[in-house]
Amino acid sequence: GENVEQHPSTLSVQEGDSAVIKCTYSDSASNYFPWYKQELGKRPQLIIDIRSNVGEKKDQRIAVTLNKTAKHFSLHITETQPEDSAVYFCAAKAAGNKLTFGGGTRVLVKP
Amino acid sequence: DSGVTQTPKHLITATGQRVTLRCSPRSGDLSVYWYQQSLDQGLQFLIQYYNGEERAKGNILERFSAQQFPDLHSELNLSSLELGDSALYFCASSADWDTEAFFGQGTRLTVV
Repeated sequence: GENVEQHPSTLSVQEGDSAVIKCTYSDSASNYFPWYKQELGKRPQLIIDIRSNVGEKKDQRIAVTLNKTAKHFSLHITETQPEDSAVYFCAAKAAGNKLTFGGGTRVLVKP
Repeated sequence: DSGVTQTPKHLITATGQRVTLRCSPRSGDLSVYWYQQSLDQGLQFLIQYYNGEERAKGNILERFSAQQFPDLHSELNLSSLELGDSALYFCASSADWDTEAFFGQGTRLTVV
């Protein structure tokens, strides 16, 4: 089955700096890669996703890149703000299969 | 609001008891996922249903079972509860098996 590894597990950045979270996956059939943000005590919320037919996708301050050959994808947050502090989860999914999550990255943005 | 409804929001019960968690997916969504999240832990996949049929199974204990009904709502049954079952249980739904999943607010289960 699919296995998703996520690094780092914690990330502390200064407000205004960039944050990068990296994930690797094992199933070469995976073709959908969403990212979720979870604030304390709340539900995970989809913030951006990418499919295997594109290499990069951007939405304002967040961007995701995908390298299918190396089987890794990354989340980039620029100009971080205190409200970006949360736990971020990457996930991978092959057609017809379950959504498998990485272990999560706790991001702390220091003012 | 994601459109996915979970009830109850909080549940406190004693060891050895049985509880049922309920999930109503977004209107039109055929796929339902259940995840367990223990304190400060990741999202552990339990089980997935698609249009009433079990689609995928994760590390779900034998004491746990689930089903998806004809109206597409789903229930997760947890029996012979242990202290270690205390966790947040999330339900997520997606329109199809290849589209984005949206999470409910979760049910926080506390076993005492």
